[in-house]
This record gives sequence, structure tokens and C-alpha cells, in this order.
Amino acid sequence: GAGVSQSPSNKVTEKGKDVELRCDPISGHTALYWYRQRLGQGLEFLIYFQGNSAPDKSGLPSDRFSAERTGESVSTLTIQRTQQEDSAVYLCASNTMTVNTEAFFGQGTRLTVV
Amino acid sequence: AQSVTQLDSHVSVSEGTPVLLRCNYSSSYSPSLFWYVQHPNKGLQLLLKYTSAATLVKGINGFEAEFKKSETSFHLTKPSAHMSDAAEYFCVVGSFGNEKLTFGTGTRLTIIP
Repeated sequence: GAGVSQSPSNKVTEKGKDVELRCDPISGHTALYWYRQRLGQGLEFLIYFQGNSAPDKSGLPSDRFSAERTGESVSTLTIQRTQQEDSAVYLCASNTMTVNTEAFFGQGTRLTVV
Repeated sequence: AQSVTQLDSHVSVSEGTPVLLRCNYSSSYSPSLFWYVQHPNKGLQLLLKYTSAATLVKGINGFEAEFKKSETSFHLTKPSAHMSDAAEYFCVVGSFGNEKLTFGTGTRLTIIP
């Protein structure tokens, strides 16, 4: 597609429910990132996929968080048993991993846990 | 390993005065460096990037940044601030093929009328 697409754009869920967030990267982009941005805060790295290499999961805050990516296409971020502190904007980005290439960001999914 | 430090979490300047947002990086390899801007309730937009072709990089909206290897810095500047520059700015470091892009914690720029 023309840009990174994330869905849904907004999600309100009850505490304890599971949620799935989706990211469609730009076609041909081998690298995909998930970040979390709490209100008024910076970007918190969650997970990084690069081609066929094992993903870098070092930023996932707990075992309630997981992410999958099918080849070099769609990625889903799953949060199980959501808590109120999970409320944030979840941002996805992709890039080609060639020299000096920037990451392109989606508009994010705003998750609110009530 | 790589890291990036944005030295100021918040900068306030008067409209029409210069802007300086400071960024220092650490990288095991020749780095790629970027500045992104995030306006309130908007997505992240690339402001400029260092491509190693020139140490002084010009970006959008009159911003520029200078790569200084000896100081491991990539500070963002603008000669004259405009009200529309009020936003959050992120410095980012990456290394070719090896490591993920690493974001700084951000600098919130406030413009005083």
C-alpha cells in the first residue's frame, strides 16, 4: 500500500479482555516495529521484526504482550488480559533496512482500557 | 549497541528567536541519524535525515541539523521559531543492517508568542 496502515484507529475495551491490533506495512519493507506511546510520553519500543531473523522482543513489557508477523507482511500485536496501564497509542512503523532509510509510521491505534 | 540521548525534555523559545534541540548518540557503526516531529494528535513525520553526503542536513520547515562525529552530536536548529513549530521532536539513531532504530525520549518545543 501507499503507507503504513493500522487498524483499528481507536479501540475501547474492558479491563481483562484481550485485544488484537493490526499493522499493514509498506509493501517490500522488511523491517517492522511496534512502539507504545502513553499520553504525553515518548516512544517506548516494544518489538522489532527484520526479515526472516528472530524478532527482537526485548521491549515487550510483560508476557501478556505478544506479536506475530507473517513473512514480510501483516503484523498483529496481541495484548491479553488488558489492564488500565495498557491504555496508550500503539504505533507501527516499517522500513527497508537499507542504508540511511527512515521508518514510516502509521497513524496508530489508540487503546483505552476501562 | 547504540543509544540516543536528547538532552532537554522541554524547550521554550519566543516566536522569532532561534531554536536548538540537542541530541547525542552512541553507535558501534557509522550511524544513520534522523529527526522526527510529532504535532499534537498527529502522526510522526520525518523532518530530516543524515545520509553521510554532507554533515549539514536541511529538512522541512526551515529546520537543519549538523552531524558532528567528534562530539557524537546531531543537534537540530532553526534560525527563527514559528508558532506552528510547537510539537514533540524525536532524535533517532540506526545502523545499517544491524540494529533497530532507537528513539530518544523526545523534546517538547513550546513557542511563546
